[in-house]
Amino acid sequence: SQTIHQWPATLVQPVGSPLSLECTVEGTSNPNLYWYRQAAGRGLQLLFYSVGIGQISSEVPQNLSASRPQDRQFILSSKKLLLSDSGFYLCAWTGGANYGYTFGSGTRLTVV
Amino acid sequence: QKEVEQNSGPLSVPEGAIASLNCTYSDRGSQSFFWYRQYSGKSPELIMFIYSNGDKEDGRFTAQLNKASQYVSLLIRDSQPSDSATYLCAVNRPGGYQKVTFGIGTKLQVIP
Repeated sequence: SQTIHQWPATLVQPVGSPLSLECTVEGTSNPNLYWYRQAAGRGLQLLFYSVGIGQISSEVPQNLSASRPQDRQFILSSKKLLLSDSGFYLCAWTGGANYGYTFGSGTRLTVV
Repeated sequence: QKEVEQNSGPLSVPEGAIASLNCTYSDRGSQSFFWYRQYSGKSPELIMFIYSNGDKEDGRFTAQLNKASQYVSLLIRDSQPSDSATYLCAVNRPGGYQKVTFGIGTKLQVIP
């Protein structure tokens, strides 16, 4: 069966520090992968999606970036965090248009 | 107009009652519709998807879709305290890559 791993679970980082969140999927190949952010009181916002190794599409221009160095690995990064980057970051994958997303357990990021 | 609209609630229902959660969407080209349940502090989990007009039943859950009215609903029969969570409506975005837009979610409270 397919599983998705995301870490770390929580993170407290100072403003201006770098960020690296990692997500890996097991049990499937060439999945579509997504990074979402859920800010307090707001819906899930799509940040990046990837349909294959090295293929990254950005939804929202900001100081975040994403990379997919391997088929089942998706990384979210920032060189310098802002207070507004605080939120619940979720990695997800899908097996097709009518299968919906399977989310990782999420990373709660607090920028102080 | 928001792409996917939900009443944020909270919606309070007594245990054993039917909970009715509603969602409207703006893009008539959307074809797939999803309901996710999100417990506090946890990541969303898919509970239902529907893509044809009418009703789709799965256990105590029934999803209803009316494309002409651009309306999706979720009924939860025999509501239990364990159903207390935020329910997110999600709608696929035409254009491929299985991207979806989420509503803000409706918080459901089932009162014992």
